[in-house]
Amino acid sequence: AQTVTQSQPEMSVQEAETVTLSCTYDTSESNYYLFWYKQPPSRQMILVIRQEAYKQQNATENRFSVNFQKAAKSFSLKISDSQLGDTAMYFCAFLRDDKIIFGKGTRLHILP
Amino acid sequence: DTAVSQTPKYLVTQMGNDKSIKCEQNLGHDTMYWYKQDSKKFLKIMFSYNNKELIINETVPNRFSPKSPDKAHLNLHINSLELGDSAVYFCASSLPGVQETQYFGPGTRLLVL
Repeated sequence: AQTVTQSQPEMSVQEAETVTLSCTYDTSESNYYLFWYKQPPSRQMILVIRQEAYKQQNATENRFSVNFQKAAKSFSLKISDSQLGDTAMYFCAFLRDDKIIFGKGTRLHILP
Repeated sequence: DTAVSQTPKYLVTQMGNDKSIKCEQNLGHDTMYWYKQDSKKFLKIMFSYNNKELIINETVPNRFSPKSPDKAHLNLHINSLELGDSAVYFCASSLPGVQETQYFGPGTRLLVL
């Protein structure tokens, strides 16, 4: 069975700093998809970034980028030039066969 | 131009009652899902429908019954509500296919008293 682990329950950084959220997963599959979702206080689940496992190139979306290490089963999210609006819960997720499995989340506080 | 919408946003009810949460998506997706987020923020899939047919049914009490009148709607009906049903319920949708990104609704916070 697949599992997703986020080892940092909570993090705080100053505005404009760079922060990295870690995620590891366990699977025997070779083809799958990985995501980072953001859940701000409004509770909406917002897709931040997506990575296909068969692509070696790390996905990038503006200030958000990932470090995907397939052999190590690691999928960390880097947020550059962090902004107050980045304050949220961040979920790492693994997708296979239509079903997403989420990690328990990392609560990120961006401090002014 | 809301993509995935849920109603109501908040639902407070007594134990033993029956309630429904509605979900609608205007993305033209064929596949829809229900997730439960517990008090510790852990998200777990409950059901998935593809074009009105049930394709994923995780271990969920049979008090929970999804209903899909058409592929744009997936409603969740809960009978005989229990305290442990208190949670945030998220609806999501995607195109069919195991590689498709899921888009989530805003969530419905259910509190059972």
